Amino acid sequence: GQNIDQPTEMTATEGAIVQINCTYQTSGFNGLFWYQQHAGEAPTFLSYNVLDGLEEKGRFSSFLSRSKGYSYLLLKELQMKDSASYLCAVTDSNYQLIWGAGTKLIIKP
Amino acid sequence: GAVVSQHPSWVICKSGTSVKIECRSLDFQATTMFWYRQFPKQSLMLMATSNEGSKATYEQGVEKDKFLINHASLTLSTLTVTSAHPEDSSFYICSARDPSGDTNEQFFGPGTRLTVL
Repeated sequence: GQNIDQPTEMTATEGAIVQINCTYQTSGFNGLFWYQQHAGEAPTFLSYNVLDGLEEKGRFSSFLSRSKGYSYLLLKELQMKDSASYLCAVTDSNYQLIWGAGTKLIIKP
Repeated sequence: GAVVSQHPSWVICKSGTSVKIECRSLDFQATTMFWYRQFPKQSLMLMATSNEGSKATYEQGVEKDKFLINHASLTLSTLTVTSAHPEDSSFYICSARDPSGDTNEQFFGPGTRLTVL
C-alpha cells in the first residue's frame, strides 16, 4: 500500500530552527510537496521537490532523497505565525497526490 | 500562482436538506479538480476526482449518490451534499491542477465549512 509518515506534533522556540521529516512508500514517484495549513484554512503551497537535493526558498528549505524515500522541511528563524500544520504529499505514478497526516508545529515564545 | 475560489465559505443547514458547493478556477482552465473533506484535527481526505465532461472518480467509501459532483466546464466543478446529516458536517476543500504549470501542484480553494443541524 501507499504510505506517508510524518510526526504528529513538534514544538520549537521562536527564532530557532526546526526540521520536519517525511518518509514515503508509494507506487511510483512524480514529486513531493510541502503545504502549510493554518487552523480553519485551506493548505497553501510551500515547496516542490522532484530531484534529489535541497531547495531553498527564504526561511524555508526542503530536501529530497528519492533512494531513501525521505524528505524534510527546514524552517529557520521561526516566527509565531509559523505555528500551523505542515503537510507532506507525494504524487504517485498516476499523478495522484498521496497525503501525510500532517505535523502540527507549535511555536513557543 | 493560480487562484481557486469556493462558494460559499460556510453554510449551516437543517438535516435532510441538500447543499451545493461551487469550486472555480479563476485564471486557468482545469480539466481536473479534486474534492477533499477534512474533519477537525485530521488530515485531508480525498473524496473524488472531478473530470470535465465526464463522470467523477470517487474514492473507496465515498457514496456517489450522496456526494454529487458535476464538472460542466473547464472552470467550474460543483459538489452537492444530498440529504445532509450532522455527520456530514466538515470542512470541504476543492483543488485544481493547472495543466500549463511546470509541476503537478494543486491549488486549493479557501474551503467551505458545512454545519448540519
